[in-house]
Amino acid sequence: KAGVTQTPRYLIKTRGQQVTLSCSPISGHRSVSWYQQTPGQGLQFLFEYFSETQRNKGNFPGRFSGRQFSNSRSEMNVSTLELGDSALYLCASRWAFGDTEAFFGQGTRLTVV
Amino acid sequence: AQSVTQPDIHITVSEGASLELRCNYSYGATPYLFWYVQSPGQGLQLLLKYFSGDTLVQGIKGFEAEFKRSQSSFNLRKPSVHWSDAAEYFCAVANPAGNNRKLIWGLGTSLAVNP
Repeated sequence: KAGVTQTPRYLIKTRGQQVTLSCSPISGHRSVSWYQQTPGQGLQFLFEYFSETQRNKGNFPGRFSGRQFSNSRSEMNVSTLELGDSALYLCASRWAFGDTEAFFGQGTRLTVV
Repeated sequence: AQSVTQPDIHITVSEGASLELRCNYSYGATPYLFWYVQSPGQGLQLLLKYFSGDTLVQGIKGFEAEFKRSQSSFNLRKPSVHWSDAAEYFCAVANPAGNNRKLIWGLGTSLAVNP
């Protein structure tokens, strides 16, 4: 069974640009969560999607958005990139919303220059 | 506010030595408790979890953790560390009630293993 797949693994963008990251959950999993990981702030919850609906949201500005498709794949978008958005973005999949165990992908390393 | 504290930012142990990584939480009730490990360049892998019942839980890779309600702690232990255990370790909590399973994380403990 394939794990959680995140693409791309690495990205370099310029301030002001926008970026889209992709996450394919484990087959059969319908819940996808996104986290931002930085050395200073650790892991911060961005949002969670289940059945194409956002079910939970963290404290991030509106520049951070996401969506989920009918096949459970999810994308997150960051518009008007800032230097502080440089981070490892991790996606986690669960069987269902409210399920206790989350399985993580390897992450997308975003560098904003 | 809900929070997780991992007091040790960095720990170095010798291969074969025992290990204990500390985790304290602040939460209204007993949360669900997790330990994850992150190897360099990798995502997070679940080591073990505690929901209820026996306060000593066994996980993968020879790790165990003990929940102590009186101390609001969930410390991770391993009797004999291997060089491959060098990684970042994260403690996390989640709400046991309802469907909100947003994970709240500690800042992590970086483990180095000397040969």
